[in-house]
Amino acid sequence: KQEVTQIPAALSVPEGENLVLNCSFTDSAIYNLQWFRQDPGKGLTSLLLIQSSQREQTSGRLNASLDKSSGRSTLYIAASQPGDSATYLCAVRQSNAGGTSYGKLTFGQGTILTVHP
Amino acid sequence: DTAVSQTPKYLVTQMGNDKSIKCEQNLGHDTMYWYKQDSKKFLKIMFSYNNKELIINETVPNRFSPKSPDKAHLNLHINSLELGDSAVYFCASSPPRTGTQFFGPGTRLTVL
Repeated sequence: KQEVTQIPAALSVPEGENLVLNCSFTDSAIYNLQWFRQDPGKGLTSLLLIQSSQREQTSGRLNASLDKSSGRSTLYIAASQPGDSATYLCAVRQSNAGGTSYGKLTFGQGTILTVHP
Repeated sequence: DTAVSQTPKYLVTQMGNDKSIKCEQNLGHDTMYWYKQDSKKFLKIMFSYNNKELIINETVPNRFSPKSPDKAHLNLHINSLELGDSAVYFCASSPPRTGTQFFGPGTRLTVL
């Protein structure tokens, strides 16, 4: 059974800092890994998706890496801003027997990020 | 707007009632999902449909019955609501191959 763990559970930093959020998973037979952002009372917004064959993805100030063999992913946020304050969720999609993308998506419990001015 | 939409946004009801939540996506995706986010903010998949066919059915009480009339819609019907059903329910969809998931805004269900 896949288990996804995110560390730290909460993080509070001053504006401008570079920071790293960690995600680990127990079953390395994944199809892809996705990082989401959730604002209070809102739905999830996809930030980055890394396919199992990829090592990293970048979008603006965000960089996500994937080490499938060790079951780890990190989300790096450069030059953090107060607008980055949200809950960040890591989700892993399993490969199913057919190797398609229909496998189950398992979420971590999230990291609550607060960036203060 | 191209998006995943859910109705209603808020649902307050008494124990024992039956209620439905509707989800629609106009992104042309083949696969749709229902997730439950509990009070501890933990998101867990409930169901997944691909082209109207059920492909994932987690250990969910059979009081919950998803229905997909076409691949753009996935509705969730809940019978005999219980206090523990109170949560935020999210619908999502994804295209084939990449599996990137797009989420709706959520439906906050409160059972009194």
